[in-house]
This record gives sequence, C-alpha cells and structure tokens, in this order.
Amino acid sequence: AQSVTQLGSHVSVSEGALVLLRCNYSSSVPPYLFWYVQYPNQGLQLLLKYTTGATLVKGINGFEAEFKKSETSFHLTKPSAHMSDAAEYFCAVSVAESGYALNFGKGTSLLVTP
Amino acid sequence: EAGVAQSPRYKIIEKRQSVAFWCNPISGHATLYWYQQILGQGPKLLIQFQNNGVVDDSQLPKDRFSAERLKGVDSTLKIQPAKLEDSAVYLCASSSNALVDEQYFGPGTRLTVT
Repeated sequence: AQSVTQLGSHVSVSEGALVLLRCNYSSSVPPYLFWYVQYPNQGLQLLLKYTTGATLVKGINGFEAEFKKSETSFHLTKPSAHMSDAAEYFCAVSVAESGYALNFGKGTSLLVTP
Repeated sequence: EAGVAQSPRYKIIEKRQSVAFWCNPISGHATLYWYQQILGQGPKLLIQFQNNGVVDDSQLPKDRFSAERLKGVDSTLKIQPAKLEDSAVYLCASSSNALVDEQYFGPGTRLTVT
C-alpha cells in the first residue's frame, strides 16, 4: 500500500519568504504524486503533479516540486510567499494498482504573516 | 466548463438518522470518487466508480454507507444510520478516465451528526 507523510501540520512564513512544505511518500511501485490546495470552505484544487519524465514540476501560482526517488520525497516550494497563499496544502500519491485513487497526507496549514 | 456540483452544502442530523448526498460530475467524466474528510485530516477514499461500475469500495463501511451511480453520471452517497463519527466533509471528485488524470473536486457537503 502507498502512503504519504507531511512533516509539519502548521508552517508559518513571512510574506516574501521562501515556502517549503515537506512530503515523503511510501510506495512499492512507481508512484504518481500530487499537491492540492484547499482554501476555507472550498474544494481541493490541483497545484501540480508528477507522473513521469522531468522530476522538477512547475505548477500554478508559482509553486514547484521536485520528485526525488532516492529520498522518497516530493517537497513543495515557492520562492516568495504571498498573503493569498495562506491555505491548507495536501500531498497525495496514487498508483495504477489502486485505480489511481488518491491517498492523501494529513495536510499542512500554511500561515503567511505580513 | 461547469465544475463538480454537490448538494446539499451543509447538513445537520441526529445520530441514527439517515442522510443522502448528491454529486453531479463534470460532463463526460467517466470516473467518480467519494472521499470523506474528517476535521484535521486529509481526504480518505470511500468509493470509486468507473462509469456505473464500482472499482474500489474497500474502505466504505458497508453496514451503514451505500453509494450508487445510475447511468454512469450522477451519484448519491447514503448513510443509514448515522453515527457521531460520521461528522465530516464529504467530497466528490471526477476525472476523465481511470488513468492518471487530474481529479476535479466539488465544494463538498459538511455533515454534522449530533
């Protein structure tokens, strides 16, 4: 079975600072990895995904993530945080054997301070 | 393109009552998912449909939960009888096929069981 672990349930950064949200995965087969964002009272929105190919993936709103197989990691970064980035972020993994259903981590709440 | 629609948005019931949620996926999307998101946790898959057939319902508590997707379009999720621990947000998502494609999420139904 596959799973993800998100390190840090709450992360606080200053506006303009680097955003780093950590995600480690466990999978016995090649995984597909995702980052979703959830704003209050809204559904989940896909930020970016890794399937195959280039390990550095760029997403929406200036976010990117790098798939590192040797470290079983898929950390999310953004060079400069904006106030509007404050939200809940979820890392997820899927594999073909599970019909590509998503297995989510517990989420990281990002707080951006002025 | 219209997104995934869900109703109701909010529901409050007493334990042992029954409740039903409705989901209308994006037109043409063959795959439909129901996830349960308990406060402070990531979404957990309950059931996955491919057209009107069930792909995975291994995490669906079948003694009280049921779901159907008639005609391969709309879907309903029912809980009967509800328990306090069923309080959660129920998210519906759809994707164009069962392969690694973006899942589009609805806004969810927030259920409170008292």
